[in-house]
This record gives sequence, structure tokens and C-alpha cells, in this order.
Amino acid sequence: DAKTTQPNSMESNEEEPVHLPCNHSTISGTDYIHWYRQLPSQGPEYVIHGLTSNVNNRMASLAIAEDRKSSTLILHRATLRDAAVYYCILSPQDFGNEKLTFGTGTRLTIIP
Amino acid sequence: DGGITQSPKYLFRKEGQNVTLSCEQNLNHDAMYWYRQDPGQGLRLIYYSQIVNDFQKGDIAEGYSVSREKKESFPLTVTSAQKNPTAFYLCASSIKQTEAFFGQGTRLTVV
Repeated sequence: DAKTTQPNSMESNEEEPVHLPCNHSTISGTDYIHWYRQLPSQGPEYVIHGLTSNVNNRMASLAIAEDRKSSTLILHRATLRDAAVYYCILSPQDFGNEKLTFGTGTRLTIIP
Repeated sequence: DGGITQSPKYLFRKEGQNVTLSCEQNLNHDAMYWYRQDPGQGLRLIYYSQIVNDFQKGDIAEGYSVSREKKESFPLTVTSAQKNPTAFYLCASSIKQTEAFFGQGTRLTVV
């Protein structure tokens, strides 16, 4: 299965944009890129996912490199509630979510 | 409101006892999943089910068992064969390749 690489931790100031990077150099042509986040002592929460084109929703934007070997989750204006562990995950197109492999993610700290 | 419910939130078990964790969803999702999370670690897949009366082992199924008799329910039994059962257990459900919805988790402690 293709792997992802994320920084262990990042900090950002409140009300500023946050760019969370993810490298996935062995991604295959049919792998979706998913992002989830997990607040302390809670289950993960879906953030966004995409295949090739950049995606936007009410929570965030997903920018996917042209060669698809990397992607960036963008939080446009960080709040204290965005402090969480963010997971970047690849999942094959023909499978269900049983192929979602959660690594250790990026722990995002928001500075007031 | 639609959602996925895990109970109880905290569970204590004596060594050598089996214990069953409940997971119920009213989202009409076909697929359901059980994950285990240890402190500071990511999630590891225990079992998953894509349809009623069918389920598959995940990466760490040893010492666990499941059933899927109803679409809404996917209980997980932690058996005495599980050597290190103390962990945070998460249940999820989804429609294939769409977002997975997670419960709030059950924290199991062996005493």
C-alpha cells in the first residue's frame, strides 16, 4: 500500500492560514487522497478528499500537486478549535474505507 | 439526528474476562469498521464489514471477534486471548469510498 509522510507537529497563529503538507511519492493513479482530523479523546472527523483536482469545502481546501506526489491541506483561518491531529491517507479507488491507514499524523497547535 | 454511537465510553475489565463493545449507527451505511488506537499512535484496523452477515479481518484481528446480524449494529468482543487489550477503540461506518463517520470511542482498561 502507498504510504504518506507528514511532519510530526506544526504550530500556527490563530486567525492565520495553515498549510499542512503531505508527501505520497508512491501514490498510484487510482488512489484517493483523504484528510481526517482527530481532537483529543474523540474519534476522527472527515475533513476533505480528492483525486486529481483541487477541492474546496466549508472546512478546508485540498491542493494536489500536478504529479500527485504531494498535497496540502489548507485551513484558511485557523481557530483554537482547529487544534488536532491531522491525518493524510491514501485509499485505492476500488476499495471501501477498509484501506484507510491512519499513521501518526501531524499534531497542529494553534497559538492564541 | 443521524450518527454512530459507541457505548460505554469507559469500560474496565478484569484479566481473563471477555467484554463486548457496542457500536450502533442510524446512517443506513453498509460498511462498518473497528479500529484500535494506543497512546500517541495512529489507528489500526481490527475488523470490517461491508454488508450484513459478512465481515473480514483487518490488520490486528487476533484476540477479537465481531458479528454483523443487523445493518445498524457491529459489536466487538475483546476476548481473553487478546494479550494487551487496554486501548481506545473506535467504530466507524461509511458508504463505500465516501467519508467515514466515527463514534466517540470506548476507552477499555484492564485491571
